[in-house]
Amino acid sequence: DAKTTQPTSMDCAEGRAANLPCNHSTISGNEYVYWYRQIHSQGPQYIIHGLKNNETNEMASLIITEDRKSSTLILPHATLRDTAVYYCIVIDNQGGKLIFGQGTELSVKP
Amino acid sequence: EPEVTQTPSHQVTQMGQEVILRCVPISNHLYFYWYRQILGQKVEFLVSFYNNEISEKSEIFDDQFSVERPDGSNFTLKIRSTKLEDSAMYFCASTHPGSQETQYFGPGTRLLVL
Repeated sequence: DAKTTQPTSMDCAEGRAANLPCNHSTISGNEYVYWYRQIHSQGPQYIIHGLKNNETNEMASLIITEDRKSSTLILPHATLRDTAVYYCIVIDNQGGKLIFGQGTELSVKP
Repeated sequence: EPEVTQTPSHQVTQMGQEVILRCVPISNHLYFYWYRQILGQKVEFLVSFYNNEISEKSEIFDDQFSVERPDGSNFTLKIRSTKLEDSAMYFCASTHPGSQETQYFGPGTRLLVL
């Protein structure tokens, strides 16, 4: 089973920031938080990952709480093309499998 | 930017037939994976492969499934005798050791078993 819980769905207005929460209260010290997204049955697309510090790249920002029990993925200016299912996954650094939950279905609306 | 590629994009087969799904991982990657997604369901792990052997496999990956890296570039998934319930999207992924598990996925093969 996935070690994370996410809301089933969220809406966001185009141009606004989309903030997607994830709870991972049982995360262990060597596990990273990864975010992927899947646009309509395409292959999952890597977005960002972090261990304990906040991270930012050209796609998104990742805010991890100090206790590491939850995180938020931020898409700063959502576009219609960001409509997708977003998956939060925790995994250690041992070459292991990704365990996908149901994810959050984000709908960006004009 | 390097990408994982998969062929074919779609395959239709009759129940009981063998299928081979092909993947070309990113060239300097050393860990390879197969996942599947039945329509409307979660992405599920099938198998991981490293150093020419299976590292881990799921309960789904039974004796009907096999994986192979026949040359330096391809990574294949074979289903020996397909069943109706094998109809799904099959995704290949690869990662480089030391990249903190960033797996990069291919676009998938849609398999339909009739």
